[in-house]
Amino acid sequence: KAGVTQTPRYLIKTRGQQVTLSCSPISGHRSVSWYQQTPGQGLQFLFEYFSETQRNKGNFPGRFSGRQFSNSRSEMNVSTLELGDSALYLCASKLEAAGYEQYFGPGTRLTVT
Amino acid sequence: AQSVTQPDIHITVSEGASLELRCNYSYGATPYLFWYVQSPGQGLQLLLKYFSGDTLVQGIKGFEAEFKRSQSSFNLRKPSVHWSDAAEYFCAVGEKTSYDKVIFGPGTSLSVIP
Repeated sequence: KAGVTQTPRYLIKTRGQQVTLSCSPISGHRSVSWYQQTPGQGLQFLFEYFSETQRNKGNFPGRFSGRQFSNSRSEMNVSTLELGDSALYLCASKLEAAGYEQYFGPGTRLTVT
Repeated sequence: AQSVTQPDIHITVSEGASLELRCNYSYGATPYLFWYVQSPGQGLQLLLKYFSGDTLVQGIKGFEAEFKRSQSSFNLRKPSVHWSDAAEYFCAVGEKTSYDKVIFGPGTSLSVIP
């Protein structure tokens, strides 16, 4: 069974632009969570989607948004990029019945210049 | 609010030496606890988990962890470290609300000296 995939793996954007990142969960997994990882703040939870609905949201500004499609694939969007948005963005999926056991993708490395 | 602390930001050990990474959590009920490993430029891989039962948990890659309720700890151990174990290690706790949420510790970076 294929793991969680994220595209693109690397991205360079300019301040003020917007970006969309994509995540394809493991087949059968309907829950997708997004995390931001930076050296200073560590792993921070962005949001979780389940069955196309946002179920939980972390403490990030409204510039960060996401959605989930009927096939469970998820996208996150960051508008009006700031230098501080440079980070590794990780996606994780899980079976609803599995509770907390998440499977992570390799991440998308976003650099904002 | 639940929290996870990892007191050691960085640890260096010699190959073949034993390893213990510390993790302390704050949680009112019986916690669900995890250890993840992250190699450079990669996502997180689950090493082991504790939900209930035996407080000594075996994981992949020769790792084990012991849940000590009295100390609110879930320390990760390995008897003999290999150079390939150099990575970032994250302890995490599952928080049960209306859904399942995982809170991660700040991580411990492990360097291995050949």
